[in-house]
Amino acid sequence: AQSVTQLDSQVPVFEEAPVELRCNYSSSVSVYLFWYVQYPNQGLQLLLKYLSGSTLVKGINGFEAEFNKSQTSFHLRKPSVHISDTAEYFCAVIVSGGYQKVTFGTGTKLQVIP
Amino acid sequence: SQTIHQWPATLVQPVGSPLSLECTVEGTSNPNLYWYRQAAGRGLQLLFYSVGIGQISSEVPQNLSASRPQDRQFILSSKKLLLSDSGFYLCAWGPGPYEQYFGPGTRLTVT
Repeated sequence: AQSVTQLDSQVPVFEEAPVELRCNYSSSVSVYLFWYVQYPNQGLQLLLKYLSGSTLVKGINGFEAEFNKSQTSFHLRKPSVHISDTAEYFCAVIVSGGYQKVTFGTGTKLQVIP
Repeated sequence: SQTIHQWPATLVQPVGSPLSLECTVEGTSNPNLYWYRQAAGRGLQLLFYSVGIGQISSEVPQNLSASRPQDRQFILSSKKLLLSDSGFYLCAWGPGPYEQYFGPGTRLTVT
């Protein structure tokens, strides 16, 4: 069975500084990878996804992530954060051929400090 | 464009009472539909998914059930709520298995 680990439960960062949110997965087969953002008391919004092709994926709001198969990682990055990026971020994985089942990480709360 | 609605937005129910949460999708046909629960401080747990009318798959055995009476309607129910059912319930739809779009959620508090 697949699993997703988000190593940091909270990440404080100053405004305009770069940030990296870490995600590692475990699976014996090919996977599809996703990052979602959740603002307080709202649903999740898809930031970006990796299905195939280039390992560097660009998403909305200036975020990008890189799929590293050898390290089984899919870290999320942004070169300069804004106050409005304060939210919780979830990494998720679907196993190729796993049809409907999405496994989510436990989330990382990004706190942008003015 | 597609939109997804959930209601109610918040709900406070006593232990042992029934539950019905509704989710509807507009602007698409034959979507895949999902129910998730998000407990405080934890990630999302997939509860049910559906690939068509009347087709429901359960991921976690519990006192909850789901139904899909119409193509774009997904209902989450319980006959008797438990304290442990408290949480944030999210409905999602997808055009296929590798893309999901979430609704605004329902905050359920069982007292």
